[in-house]
Amino acid sequence: DQQVKQNSPSLSVQEGRISILNCDYTNSMFDYFLWYKKYPAEGPTFLISISSIKDKNEDGRFTVFLNKSAKHLSLHIVPSQPGDSAVYFCVPRGAGSYQLTFGKGTKLSVIP
Amino acid sequence: NAGVMQNPRHLVRRRGQEARLRCSPMKGHSHVYWYRQLPEEGLKFMVYLQKENIIDESGMPKERFSAEFPKEGPSILRIQQVVRGDSAAYFCASSPQPGAEETQYFGPGTRLLVL
Repeated sequence: DQQVKQNSPSLSVQEGRISILNCDYTNSMFDYFLWYKKYPAEGPTFLISISSIKDKNEDGRFTVFLNKSAKHLSLHIVPSQPGDSAVYFCVPRGAGSYQLTFGKGTKLSVIP
Repeated sequence: NAGVMQNPRHLVRRRGQEARLRCSPMKGHSHVYWYRQLPEEGLKFMVYLQKENIIDESGMPKERFSAEFPKEGPSILRIQQVVRGDSAAYFCASSPQPGAEETQYFGPGTRLLVL
């Protein structure tokens, strides 16, 4: 049961350009959405989140957009830097739930 | 300010042996979560524990797997009679409180390889 789909397994972007990572979900009970970043041989690190009552949340170079009617969210990174090269996981959560539901991830490569 | 610690980082077991994975949460955190990541997959929730209590083990296989978080010491995920399909990365996370907007902080994981 794939409740979270990150359809692009990988993405390559030139340094300084915008990276856009997409995520689709099926469970309408999800009401809080997180993005985690993961480097090889490390655990996931929290990056940014958004509540379902908002459609945009910005933190420095990172912006997350949520389209609830389409059950779609995206993470924008601008400008992209080589240190952003990692696997990014879209992680929705249900109301009051502690269980995180991870997608398969998108591997971002930022080329210097 | 140490983060979540897991050991060992790598563990090799033969089929039928036992695997014990340890997790020390961040200081001040009393809630521990275990996740498993199979190859080419996202992390999947296994179990949620507070000190001396299992709160939710709905993601844990019914047989051979057990978890504990004693009053003193780390949380332990125990896999008895391991099989090749248990080969995966096991991640522990902790939080000060559970809740809808509480961030879970992850450890570096234990990579289990069953020969």
